[in-house]
Formats: sequence, structure tokens, C-alpha cells
Amino acid sequence: AQTVTQSQPEMSVQEAETVTLSCTYDTSESDYYLFWYKQPPSRQMILVIRQEAYKQQNATENRFSVNFQKAAKSFSLKISDSQLGDAAMYFCAYRSTLIYNQGGKLIFGQGTELSVKP
Amino acid sequence: DGGITQSPKYLFRKEGQNVTLSCEQNLNHDAMYWYRQDPGQGLRLIYYSQIVNDFQKGDIAEGYSVSREKKESFPLTVTSAQKNPTAFYLCASSSRTGNRYGYTFGSGTRLTVV
Repeated sequence: AQTVTQSQPEMSVQEAETVTLSCTYDTSESDYYLFWYKQPPSRQMILVIRQEAYKQQNATENRFSVNFQKAAKSFSLKISDSQLGDAAMYFCAYRSTLIYNQGGKLIFGQGTELSVKP
Repeated sequence: DGGITQSPKYLFRKEGQNVTLSCEQNLNHDAMYWYRQDPGQGLRLIYYSQIVNDFQKGDIAEGYSVSREKKESFPLTVTSAQKNPTAFYLCASSSRTGNRYGYTFGSGTRLTVV
């Protein structure tokens, strides 16, 4: 069974600075998808960024980028020029490409609470 | 606009009662999911459904039940057999063939036992 681990329960960053959130996962599959979701105080889950394992290029979405290290099974999220609105819980998630693997469920890490200091 | 609607936003349950959480989507998604969120534990899968009239247990199904009579609807019943039901519940949906797109989430229901 696949697992996702976020070893940093809490992180803090100064406004306008850069912060990196860590995520590791365990799987025997060679092809899969990885995601970062943001959950602000409203508790609405918002997709931040997605990475397909077969792509070597790291995904980027504006100020958000990932460092995907397939061999190390590592998938970290870098937030550049942090803003007050980035304060939230961030979840790393894994999804198998095998559609019949438990209905294509997302497997989530425990989450990292990010605070942004003005 | 397409999306997922969960209701109610807050729900209070007395000991021994069953309660039902509503989840409706108009995204034409085949797959729907229920997750439970507890502090420090991330999101855990309760039940999922890939098609109408079919659903499967997830990792923590004990004390819960679901139905999928319509493509748009996937209600979750928290039964009196669930020993610790106080939690935040999230419903999500996904295109059956679009694994790479992740989920669309509802806004959640906070259930409290009183």
C-alpha cells in the first residue's frame, strides 16, 4: 500500500520570503500523480499544483513550484514571495494511475500548517 | 457554475442518533468520495463510488453507510455504531477517466456529538 509522509507539522515564513514544504511517499508503482492541496481557514480544499511521475520536468504554477525527486520518492513544494494569503494547511497527496486501485483515491499526508508573518 | 455542494455546514448529533450528510455535484463526474479529517491525521477515505448503484468501503468505513442512487448525489450516514463521529467531513468528486486532475472538493460538514 502507498503512504505519504509530511514530517513538518508546522512551518513559518516571513512575508515575501521563500519556504519549502517537504513530502515523501512510498510506492512500488512506476507511474502515478502527485498533488499539493491548500486548505485555508475556510477549510475549502484548493488544488495548488500537480506533477505526473513520468515527466522529469518539475511543475510550476506562478509562485508555486515543486522539486520532484522520483528516485528518492520526494515531492517538496516551494512557495516564493510568500503572501499573507498563503497561510493555510498544505497537504501532499498521491494518486495511482491504475483507475481500479480503490477507485483512484487520493492518499494524503498528515498536513503542514504554514503561517506567514507580516 | 459547476461544483460540489455539501450540507449542512454544521451538524450536531446526540448520542445514539443516525445523521445524514448531503453531497451533490453537477460536474457530471462518475466518481465520488467521502473523507474524514481529524487534526494531525490528514484525510482518511470512508467510502467511494465509481458508478451509480455501486460503492466500496474505504479505509475507515465502520460505523458509516452510503448510497449512490443518482450520479449527482452521494449521501453519507453516520450511524450510532460510529464511536467517535466528531470530525470534519469532506466530499469530493473526480472524472473517472481523469486521474491526473485530482479531485473537486465540497466545502465540508463539521459534525459534533453533543
